[in-house]
Amino acid sequence: GAVVSQHPSRVICKSGTSVKIECRSLDFQATTMFWYRQFPKQSLMLMATSNEGSKATYEQGVEKDKFLINHASLTLSTLTVTSAHPEDSSFYICSAREGARGNYGYTFGSGTRLTVV
Amino acid sequence: KNEVEQSPQNLTAQEGEFITINCSYSVGISALHWLQQHPGGGIVSLFMLSSGKKKHGRLIATINIQEKHSSLHITASHPRDSAVYICAVSYAHTGNQFYFGTGTSLTVIP
Repeated sequence: GAVVSQHPSRVICKSGTSVKIECRSLDFQATTMFWYRQFPKQSLMLMATSNEGSKATYEQGVEKDKFLINHASLTLSTLTVTSAHPEDSSFYICSAREGARGNYGYTFGSGTRLTVV
Repeated sequence: KNEVEQSPQNLTAQEGEFITINCSYSVGISALHWLQQHPGGGIVSLFMLSSGKKKHGRLIATINIQEKHSSLHITASHPRDSAVYICAVSYAHTGNQFYFGTGTSLTVIP
């Protein structure tokens, strides 16, 4: 079946540094990538949606200059947390949609646990 | 408003018990998904439903479009079923992004 590889699975970084999270669709073309954030004991919250080759659409309250999303190819999307702060510590997960499969085409990455110290 | 409600929030069961998790949503959807999130955080898609019923192994998912309600059943539960189960809906008019329930934390005791 469809697989999305997300790396790294865990990362610890210092305040003020930047962290890049990658999501790769291994055997399909991800026309749309969704990036989510999850705080402990809470539901996943959509941060942004990106279509290949276009600028990402950010949800209200999500700073686009802080969370840089690049979806330059049909198999790779990246989320860069810039100038990380301890409050950015969270679980980040991507979901890729294979356009041709419509509602059947969603595949989640395994997630990245970010800790900012 | 796109609301997704799940019940129960927490569920503890003895191994072998039949388990039901419920999901209700407020407006018409294009699809409903049941997801499983293990303690490490990774998410696996279990089912995608737009009508009727689906079965995969010991898991059964049903949806009633008129009542805006879905259930996930686990037969002969096992400790390895312990996870958070999340209901998510997608709407065609919002670009098919997911709206998530808060999840049901299931613990199956041997």
